[in-house]
Amino acid sequence: NAGVTQTPKFRVLKTGQSMTLLCAQDMNHEYMYWYRQDPGMGLRLIHYSVGEGTTAKGEVPDGYNVSRLKKQNFLLGLESAAPSQTSVYFCASSYSSYNEQFFGPGTRLTVL
Amino acid sequence: SQELEQSPQSLIVQEGKNLTINCTSSKTLYGLYWYKQKYGEGLIFLMMLQKGGEEKSHEKITAKLDEKKQQSSLHITASQPSHAGIYLCGADIGYSNSGYALNFGKGTSLLVTP
Repeated sequence: NAGVTQTPKFRVLKTGQSMTLLCAQDMNHEYMYWYRQDPGMGLRLIHYSVGEGTTAKGEVPDGYNVSRLKKQNFLLGLESAAPSQTSVYFCASSYSSYNEQFFGPGTRLTVL
Repeated sequence: SQELEQSPQSLIVQEGKNLTINCTSSKTLYGLYWYKQKYGEGLIFLMMLQKGGEEKSHEKITAKLDEKKQQSSLHITASQPSHAGIYLCGADIGYSNSGYALNFGKGTSLLVTP
């Protein structure tokens, strides 16, 4: 099993550009999450999904959109990137809300 | 939103020494998770605690959840360089604006010196 994978690993964007981060899991998990990790702020939840076709807002959803068209994939989109979105993005998945979350290796995004 | 306070923020210990990291919440925790993050990498699940007074161990790492389910500690015995990294606690506080996802502490950075 590959577990949770994220693509790309690194990306540099200019302000105003758009991009999509892809998260894939092969554990048949229902729940998937997108977090961002910033120095001094810890991990903060952006959006999450409790199943295929569903999404919900987390703590810091502004400027991001997500889609869960397939159970194994969870996409995070930035329509118009801003320097404040420079961060490390982590995807995670879990079987249910009462089980541990498995994390991907992260995507390091820099917005100039 | 739920706030989890971790202490200390950073820790430097000599190899072979014991250490403790604390995670405190102002609200009752329905589930408390400990993760380890190596620098520049993703999070690795260590342990999950759900019951008041629960204690779990894995190799040289022991985690406890107090009876009131508001504080957890992570204890490492005879630390090794492989224990270095960032330790994060995460808590399931039930339904909130963020749903049932985890809220995380800001992490404790551990460095183990020879």
